Order: sequence, then C-alpha cells, then structure tokens
Amino acid sequence: SAVISQKPSRDICQRGTSLTIQCQVDSQVTMMFWYRQQPGQSLTLIATANQGSEATYESGFVIDKFPISRPNLTFSTLTVSNMSPEDSSIYLCSVGGTFYEQYFGPGTRLTVT
Amino acid sequence: ELKVEQNPLFLSMQEGKNYTIYCNYSTTSDRLYWYRQDPGKSLESLFVLLSNGAVKQEGRLMASLDTKARLSTLHITAAVHDLSATYFCAVVLGRGGADGLTFGKGTHLIIQP
Repeated sequence: SAVISQKPSRDICQRGTSLTIQCQVDSQVTMMFWYRQQPGQSLTLIATANQGSEATYESGFVIDKFPISRPNLTFSTLTVSNMSPEDSSIYLCSVGGTFYEQYFGPGTRLTVT
Repeated sequence: ELKVEQNPLFLSMQEGKNYTIYCNYSTTSDRLYWYRQDPGKSLESLFVLLSNGAVKQEGRLMASLDTKARLSTLHITAAVHDLSATYFCAVVLGRGGADGLTFGKGTHLIIQP
C-alpha cells in the first residue's frame, strides 16, 4: 500500500487567511484526490488532481476557494483560501492503489477562528 | 447524483454478538469500499469489492456485494471491543480508478464488554 504524508497535521488559522496543505506519496501515482470531513460528518470529495492538467472539482467546490497544484506524480497541494469558521474540517488526500484500492493520508485538522 | 445510504448510523452492541451493517447506493457502480475510522484518526481500508457476489473476510469482519440490488453488507461475527469504530462504505461512479468516492454517512459502532 502507498505511504501518504500530509503537512501540517493540524493548524489554527484566523478568518480571512489562507492555508496550504501538502500531500506527499512514497510512489508515483496518476490520480490524487482531496476530501473534506466536517466535524462529526462523513467525507466529501473536493477535487481530483491529475498531474499535468487542471484539477476537476466536484459540485459545490470552486478553484478560487480551493486551488490545487499537482507538480509531479508524488506531490500535491490544496489551498483553503479566505477561510471562514465553516472551513473548519479535516482535509484528507487520497491515492489509488494497484488493484483499485484507495488509500488515505493522515489528514490535516484545520480550525478557523 | 449518486447517493449512498448506510444503516444503522449508530449501533451499540455487546461483545460476542453478531450484527450487520447495510450500505445501499442509488446508481450502478462496479466498486464498493469499506473503511474503518477510529476517533481522531484517518481512514483504514478494510475491503474493496469489485464484482457482483464478491465476498471478502478478514478476521471477524465479512463484506459482500450484490450489484443488482445495489447493496453491500458488512457482517461482524462475535464482536470484540477492539472493533469499536466508525465504519464507512463508499462507492465509485466511474471506471478505471480515475474517480473519487462517494461516502455513506458512516455507522458509529460501540461494542460494550
């Protein structure tokens, strides 16, 4: 299985600021996914990031709010822009495995005050 | 729009008992996933079910998939306290590993001694 790391593991940010979350994988992967888990809730897909092309966003998520970079096959970033308390969530990146598995990183716990 | 429904959402049971968690989804899909999440942790992959009639077992957990009924079950046999966690099922809409997952709301399982 893929080993996924995320930075930071947690952060407390002020309203109106931005935070960039990094996701690093120990092997080359084609697709990387970003999810949000609001407190006590399930996971919601934000976007799919494919190296060399723009990310594909799900309904309710826009590039201006959640810009994503995918500079190579082992790394991606998600920025949460102009944050409000409603953005307080856990943000997780995920990658596909060899036999259709999908593995998740440890998550970034974001609190916006 | 793909919808994934789990039931029950909350389950309290005693050690040694058997129980089943159900996962229904609204649109044809050829892949279904089960994950476990412990409090404050990320998701641990349990099973990937790829075809109609697929059955997988790991320890006290067994998962099955009926694509015609759009139903998956996660059966717990002789529950032990260590299985206390939140269990999510998730479904992918597309093919080829290029699509993210749509999650159910999760089943919060408490197993009491």
